[in-house]
Parts: sequence; C-alpha cells; structure tokens
Amino acid sequence: DAGVTQSPTHLIKTRGQQVTLRCSPKSGHDTVSWYQQALGQGPQFIFQYYEEEERQRGNFPDRFSGHQFPNYSSELNVNALLLGDSALYLCASSLNSQRTAHEQYFGPGTRLTVT
Amino acid sequence: GEDVEQSLFLSVREGDSSVINCTYTDSSSTYLYWYKQEPGAGLQLLTYIFSNMDMKQDQRLTVLLNKKDKHLSLRIADTQTGDSAIYFCADRSGGYNKLIFGAGTRLAVHP
Repeated sequence: DAGVTQSPTHLIKTRGQQVTLRCSPKSGHDTVSWYQQALGQGPQFIFQYYEEEERQRGNFPDRFSGHQFPNYSSELNVNALLLGDSALYLCASSLNSQRTAHEQYFGPGTRLTVT
Repeated sequence: GEDVEQSLFLSVREGDSSVINCTYTDSSSTYLYWYKQEPGAGLQLLTYIFSNMDMKQDQRLTVLLNKKDKHLSLRIADTQTGDSAIYFCADRSGGYNKLIFGAGTRLAVHP
C-alpha cells in the first residue's frame, strides 16, 4: 500500500523565483491538504483540495496556489519567493468519507530553502 | 482564533512512563490527535480521540481528554530510545478537517 509521496525532497531557490512542489496521496485517498512547517514550529495549514477544487484555505497570501489533478495528485505553487518561505512543506492525504475524512496521513515533506 | 499549546521539552529515563500535555481553545473540537515526527521526517499519526471519549488506549499509548479543561495528554508506557522524537498535538478545526497544531514537545529518552 503506497503511502504519501512528495517531490522533490530538497530544493534551493532564490528570492523572487517561483517553485512547484508535488504530492501523490496515499492509495485510495482523494483529498490533499498542504501544510508549511517553519523550523522549530508546528505545521500550519495552507489549503485543502478535493474534487480538483480548493475547498478550504488558511491564512496564506495569494502567492501560494495549488492544483489537484484527476488522479488526486496535487501541486503547490509559490510565486515571488521570500526568505520567510523557507520551510518544510508537508502534504497530507485523506479519504473523504464520513468515517475516515478526519484521518490525515502525511508525506515526508519537501525542504525548501530560499536564499 | 483556535490555539493549541504544548510544553516544549520532556526528558525521561528509558523504561519510565512519559506524559506529554496539551491544551486547546476550540470548544467545538470533534477530534484531537497526536502525531510523531522524527528528525528529517514527516508526521506519523500515532492516535486520535473523539471528543465524546475520556480515554483511549492503544498498546503503549494512553490518551486522556478533559473536555471541561480543554486538556489532552499522551502517556507512553515503558518509554524506549526509539520514542525520542517531537510529538505534536493537533485539533481538528471547523469543517473539512483543517488541523491546528501545537509547537511540538521534544521527548528525549536517556539510559
């Protein structure tokens, strides 16, 4: 049973550049959430995708955008990178059923460094 | 808004029990979670408790929930060196399963 996978593992970008991070959900899952984890802090919710639509968003600027594909995989895009965007970006997947929707399983993350 | 708070550090001797505490502010919480994060890794879902329960036991893990005081704890029995990690408490906030995390408690297990 394939778990949540993310790519790339590490990424170094320069201020002002744009970045795309990718996530494949756990087999059988249809919902993807993205979180940002700054060093020494807990993860913060960015947004959640279901049925190719963003259905909830946290307190992040419009520079953060996403997409979900028909196969349920997802991308997180960040434009005009700032030094403060340096963080571990975590993808979590779940199955949108009444019983299991609250169980979110996380991938290993993508470590983004902005210089 | 919703907030989750945890103590930042806990040190225990191998074989002892560990108790990690968490407080939350959202009175409408339905589920509360404990996640484990090892160095350089993502988050592993350890266990969760539904808000109408007081206690949940899962092998070496015991979760206690005091809904009146909005206090959650995780007890790890017979703590081993492999339990050394950061433990996050999380609250399911509102619809669509957005999770609010605490800052994490670093558990150090020494011989």
